[in-house]
Amino acid sequence: DQQVKQNSPSLSVQEGRISILNCDYTNSMFDYFLWYKKYPAEGPTFLISISSIKDKNEDGRFTVFLNKSAKHLSLHIVPSQPGDSAVYFCAASGSISNYQLIWGAGTKLIIKP
Amino acid sequence: GAGVSQTPSNKVTEKGKYVELRCDPISGHTALYWYRQSLGQGPEFLIYFQGTGAADDSGLPNDRFFAVRPEGSVSTLKIQRTERGDSAVYLCASSLTPSSGGTGELFFGEGSRLTVL
Repeated sequence: DQQVKQNSPSLSVQEGRISILNCDYTNSMFDYFLWYKKYPAEGPTFLISISSIKDKNEDGRFTVFLNKSAKHLSLHIVPSQPGDSAVYFCAASGSISNYQLIWGAGTKLIIKP
Repeated sequence: GAGVSQTPSNKVTEKGKYVELRCDPISGHTALYWYRQSLGQGPEFLIYFQGTGAADDSGLPNDRFFAVRPEGSVSTLKIQRTERGDSAVYLCASSLTPSSGGTGELFFGEGSRLTVL
């Protein structure tokens, strides 16, 4: 049973427009939610996170929104740039075993020039 | 280098063979993690070390899998009697402190791609 789901395997967005990547979760005990970015043949790199006590966190072009009642979070990238083309993973952790991340399957983002 | 280093980057082996995968974490990082990523899926937690000891090995799929970190730095993931289902990318990550793993400060290596024929 997948606790973290990314239902869109891929997303194509025009350069300069907004990219919205979605993630749903089932475990209400998750405390932190994170987004990682992965280029081919590289390990994932941390992008942005949000605590469950917040509903929004912004870092430059990246904003993560958390809707706890819907158990849904989203990553907004604006404006989208060619270098943003990568696989984006949503991950979550709980307060007890906060070192253990539960990951979604990833969404491949393609930014078209 | 300054990042997490994993060797080998690629390993092809035959079913039933023994495999070792090595991880050299960022200097000074006390916490080390192994994850496994199968094709089309996100990484799955295998084991977490705090210093030399395995603080949580609940993610290891069975007793064919074992990991050590004898001096609190380099870690080796060992897989005995490999099976075709073990084929995956094995990712190692480290963090400065354990709690930082839950808030994003995990630094991953490039992974070791294991193929069992």
